[in-house]
This record gives sequence, C-alpha cells and structure tokens, in this order.
Amino acid sequence: ETGVTQTPRHLVMGMTNKKSLKCEQHLGHNAMYWYKQSAKKPLELMFVYNFKEQTENNSVPSRFSPECPNSSHLFLHLHTLQPEDSALYLCASSQGTRGETQYFGPGTRLLVL
Amino acid sequence: AQTVTQSQPEMSVQEAETVTLSCTYDTSENNYYLFWYKQPPSRQMILVIRQEAYKQQNATENRFSVNFQKAAKSFSLKISDSQLGDTAMYFCAFIPDSNYQLIWGAGTKLIIKP
Repeated sequence: ETGVTQTPRHLVMGMTNKKSLKCEQHLGHNAMYWYKQSAKKPLELMFVYNFKEQTENNSVPSRFSPECPNSSHLFLHLHTLQPEDSALYLCASSQGTRGETQYFGPGTRLLVL
Repeated sequence: AQTVTQSQPEMSVQEAETVTLSCTYDTSENNYYLFWYKQPPSRQMILVIRQEAYKQQNATENRFSVNFQKAAKSFSLKISDSQLGDTAMYFCAFIPDSNYQLIWGAGTKLIIKP
C-alpha cells in the first residue's frame, strides 16, 4: 500500500449504530487530519493530530470521537449520528503541520439513515 | 478573515484546449503556501501543484502551471492540452506558514468534452 488509505470506502449506518472509520498513511508523516466534505460546502477541518497528540478539535460534536494510536493510524469513531452527518470523510497526512502539503486518502462515503 | 474565492462554479472546454481557472484569496500573512487540488469523480483529492508565496517564479507541473500575482492575491491555474482525465472538481487552497489549517475555496467543476 502506498500513500494514504481509508476503510471502508462506503458505509451506511443507522442513527443508533456505532462504527469506526480507519485511516493509514504510508508516507512517514507526523501529522494526520480528518475532514468532512458535504455537498456544496467547502471542506471542513474536524481534527488534527501531530505526533499522536490532538492539536485541533474544530468544534466537532462529541458523537465524533477521534483516536490516533500512532503517527501512521487515525480512527474516527462514530456513534448516534444524525442524517446531516452524511458526507464524504477525508483523511489526510503531512510531514509537519506548519505550511506543509497535505496528502489525502480516497475518503469514506457515509450515509446515515 | 482568511478566505479563498473561486469565481467560476463550472467550466467546460473541448479536449486539447487550454483552460484557466481563477482563484483569489485574502490574508494578512506574508508567508504562505498555495495549492491546487483536483478531485475527480472517484473522490480522491489529488495535489496538482504547490506554490510558495516567497517565490516569484510560477510553479509548473507538466501541463499544469500557475499565474501567481502576490500583490493582487491571485493564483490562477492553467491547464494546457486538456485531456478527458482532467475532468474533476478543482479546489484552490492556501495555508499560512504560521498555521496548519488549509483555507479552501468552494471549487470549480471542470468538464473536458471529447
């Protein structure tokens, strides 16, 4: 595997389900990000991790819970989501955090019923 | 506030033509980096080109080049000899050197017609 990978690619869940999104980067980077991309809206930064430490939580509801066990892996745990949470969730990584190019995974298309 | 404006929601050109996508931005920072990302129907966000604001020379990557006008805060993308595979959403973004948050434009949908 090369670059940034995400699983699953598609996910359908009910509002009472608990699921997790996984991201893995094979680039030797130190920073990882979660973004939400909704239709007709700019990308929204959700969380930032640098050297496994969370450095940003962009006012994200607590039903989204990130986890970064090491610099290569990032999870987004989902529970009791709402239909408006349906979106494309993109993971990205960069070497550092300041002024660095971010490289993206293919995304997980999430549908909340 | 730091913003990015892409004034063309959608564009279409014939294959092999040249197309220019516009982008303007607003920031009070002096050091920053500018990007064009491409998002084809597969949804993968792919880096097209990167420009350092302290460099006067415009960045180029094969058929892709930028026209960076720092004083005007303008950063347009030119695609030469367009190909069907260039069909995608194109996003302009910048990141200040002092920060880690990419500021994104709303995107331009580019359609290359055969």
